[in-house]
Amino acid sequence: DAGVIQSPRHEVTEMGQEVTLRCKPISGHDYLFWYRQTMMRGLELLIYFNNNVPIDDSGMPEDRFSAKMPNASFSTLKIQPSEPRDSAVYFCASSFFSEGGEAFFGQGTRLTVV
Amino acid sequence: QQQVKQSPQSLIVQKGGISIINCAYENTAFDYFPWYQQFPGKGPALLIAIRPDVSEKKEGRFTISFNKSAKQFSLHIMDSQPGDSATYFCAASMNSGYSTLTFGKGTMLLVSP
Repeated sequence: DAGVIQSPRHEVTEMGQEVTLRCKPISGHDYLFWYRQTMMRGLELLIYFNNNVPIDDSGMPEDRFSAKMPNASFSTLKIQPSEPRDSAVYFCASSFFSEGGEAFFGQGTRLTVV
Repeated sequence: QQQVKQSPQSLIVQKGGISIINCAYENTAFDYFPWYQQFPGKGPALLIAIRPDVSEKKEGRFTISFNKSAKQFSLHIMDSQPGDSATYFCAASMNSGYSTLTFGKGTMLLVSP
């Protein structure tokens, strides 16, 4: 398996524009997580899904953020409208309900909002 | 309290030395404590993990020490190498890992040649 795949790797957008980040989890994994990483706040959990169903979105900072998982192999995180303070690296991770609970992370999307 | 506090924020160690990173937690319901390693431009990857039924776990040059009464755990990297230069995150979760991870803020380790 190629691991968790995120796209794009880098995104530069203007304030007010819509941004969509994409994630393909590892095949067979039943949990999917979206994290945001910044220097100030570290790794923050935004939302996670179990079997494509959103379980906890309490980390989503504002209504401008939304996430979907239409099937087991694809998820999106959308920001609309984007703001400069949304600039961060966004990670998608997936895991399987098994001993250990290891989360496998993608390489991240570096978002810059100017 | 869900917070996990990690220190130091950054660390410089000579090649061959011992790197030590510490974490503390408040929530006694945490029962799974992994360490993740992150290289620049990459996502974090699991390095080693421990459960509170043991006080120490060793994998190669990496050792986790766990003090349940003090609610602290630490990562020791023996014989540190330049290739170990990365950011290290401690984390904690409940239900033996079957729940979300709460991460520390990370320690940037630089091992000088």
